[in-house]
Amino acid sequence: EAGVAQSPRYKIIEKRQSVAFWCNPISGHATLYWYQQILGQGPKLLIQFQNNGVVDDSQLPKDRFSAERLKGVDSTLKIQPAKLEDSAVYLCASSGRGQGMIDYEQYFGPGTRLTVT
Amino acid sequence: GIQVEQSPPDLILQEGANSTLRCNFSDSVNNLQWFHQNPWGQLINLFYIPSGTKQNGRLSATTVATERYSLLYISSSQTTDSGVYFCAVERGGSEKLVFGKGTKLTVNP
Repeated sequence: EAGVAQSPRYKIIEKRQSVAFWCNPISGHATLYWYQQILGQGPKLLIQFQNNGVVDDSQLPKDRFSAERLKGVDSTLKIQPAKLEDSAVYLCASSGRGQGMIDYEQYFGPGTRLTVT
Repeated sequence: GIQVEQSPPDLILQEGANSTLRCNFSDSVNNLQWFHQNPWGQLINLFYIPSGTKQNGRLSATTVATERYSLLYISSSQTTDSGVYFCAVERGGSEKLVFGKGTKLTVNP
């Protein structure tokens, strides 16, 4: 079974530029998450989708961050314009939540390391 | 929100030693996961263990939900065990994982 796929793996941009990240969850997983991990800290949830609907985006900085999951499968996370403090690893995860499962285990992709200069 | 505390923050071992990592949480949970983050940043699932005990090779974990803690045991440690170990919990009624700050493990040959 293929895992969570993310691209690109690395990205370097200048502040005020825009950037987009892509995620493809585990096949059949209804729920998709985007996390931000700043160096030395644990990941923090930015947004959670179930199918193509948003469940929780309370910690997403909506003035500059946006995310979509149009067909309930792939998702993109965009930052525009980027700030220096956005330098972090952006992790995508998926789970079978919302499909009648009792197992809510989340599985993570390899992440995208963003450096804003 | 729920608080997750991991201890110790740093741990240095010689290869072959055993260790215990602890995770305390401040509220009842319906999901608890242990992860190993390798030097390349990949989060690897170790255990999904909201309660009870599980074992996988040299690793085992126990969660005592009524006392709000979980333990991760690593036996006969190897250099490849090095990295950061995270505990993450999902509070009842919420659907998001809240991570602790992690335990950084270094295993020396």
